[in-house]
Amino acid sequence: QVQLVESGGGVVQPGRSLRLSCAGSGFTFSNYAMNWVRQTPGKGLDWVAVILYDGGDKYYADSVKGRFTISRDNSKNTLFLQMNSLRPEDTAIYYCARRDCTSGICYSSLWGQGTLVTVSS
Amino acid sequence: DIQMTQSPSSLSASVGDRVTITCRASQGISNSLAWYQQKPGKVPKLLIYAASTLHSGVPSRFSGSGSATDFTLTISSLQPEDVATYYCQKYNTAPFTFGPGTRVEIK
Repeated sequence: QVQLVESGGGVVQPGRSLRLSCAGSGFTFSNYAMNWVRQTPGKGLDWVAVILYDGGDKYYADSVKGRFTISRDNSKNTLFLQMNSLRPEDTAIYYCARRDCTSGICYSSLWGQGTLVTVSS
Repeated sequence: DIQMTQSPSSLSASVGDRVTITCRASQGISNSLAWYQQKPGKVPKLLIYAASTLHSGVPSRFSGSGSATDFTLTISSLQPEDVATYYCQKYNTAPFTFGPGTRVEIK
């Protein structure tokens, strides 16, 4: 069925790195831009990054720029988020979300279940 | 960057009440706005896109309106299953900022 499944979360010390993955299935993954969105438990949604369908353009939230890198492997229908120099404030559930766009109208109708990243010593 | 605000931050209403949530952009974003519902412990769910288009399968008691900087989400008759936090999000240009959310509870 049509779904996104994140993996790679866990507990990591401040300053260390972690790589998240998001596997898409049931749709043509290479046709869609993809987002990472995070949510600190009990808090609001925080957009993190987006990568266009071919990986050519990437944009980041200021809070992660220079530390996080979004990438994708369309041959494996997989989205990645490489997180370096992690800080306690990066602790959150990380969701991948498909960016659906038609004629300039965009939204995210497909979300993964999320993977929890905890940054703590 | 464009900032998104929402009001109120929380509200409590009775079943059957009409509920209105406001989202404001610090600069005009045309109609490039989506609304999401997130129930406790669940993944966000798309309700409305292009400010006023109801996503497939969303009950018709939900509606959206507005353009440029001021937007509203209305629940015409609040139901117990509508207890959730509601978020707006701009999507025209990155960063695709979310509003801080509005928590809706039943009185």
